[in-house]
Amino acid sequence: DTGVSQNPRHKITKRGQNVTFRCDPISEHNRLYWYRQTLGQGPEFLTYFQNEAQLEKSRLLSDRFSAERPKGSFSTLEIQRTEQGDSAMYLCASSLAPPLAFKGYTFGSGTRLTVV
Amino acid sequence: KQEVTQIPAALSVPEGENLVLNCSFTDSAIYNLQWFRQDPGKGLTSLLLIQSSQREQTSGRLNASLDKSSGRSTLYIAASQPGDSATYLCAVTSSGSARQLTFGSGTQLTVLP
Repeated sequence: DTGVSQNPRHKITKRGQNVTFRCDPISEHNRLYWYRQTLGQGPEFLTYFQNEAQLEKSRLLSDRFSAERPKGSFSTLEIQRTEQGDSAMYLCASSLAPPLAFKGYTFGSGTRLTVV
Repeated sequence: KQEVTQIPAALSVPEGENLVLNCSFTDSAIYNLQWFRQDPGKGLTSLLLIQSSQREQTSGRLNASLDKSSGRSTLYIAASQPGDSATYLCAVTSSGSARQLTFGSGTQLTVLP
């Protein structure tokens, strides 16, 4: 297993365009999380999936954001009508859900979004 | 609402020094605490995970402690090296079913050769 994979690594887009990011978690992990990190801050929780079900969304996830995890495998995060304030690093993490043996969270390398 | 604070925000030390990074959290009802390392423009690398029932964890030159009742954790780095230069993030797992992480803003460490 190669860990959590995120694509693309970098994305530059014009304001108003739609963008989509992909995350491939560790195969045996049934939980998948999305976080957003702005410069100089720690990551902030956006949403998470257990298998294919999206179970919780942060208030940070406006209606321009949508996330999916079809078939409980990879996940996509789409941002519609991007704004300059969306510029950030988008991080994906995966883990086993309790009561399975919890070994911590594994993060991907992130997708850096720049909205110009 | 859980809040995590890391002090100092930045730290610069000469190579070879031992150092301590501090993390505090407001709600002691946590499942675990995790320390991460982040290099500039990169994702997060997990360093140590401490379950709520544990007091400390060690990995190589790193030692992390947890005092849940006082809402504090420390990361001790022995014999620092220039390669240790990075941002160190502390995160706690909330008591809710989502088990999402709440992060501090990090300590940016520079180890001077």
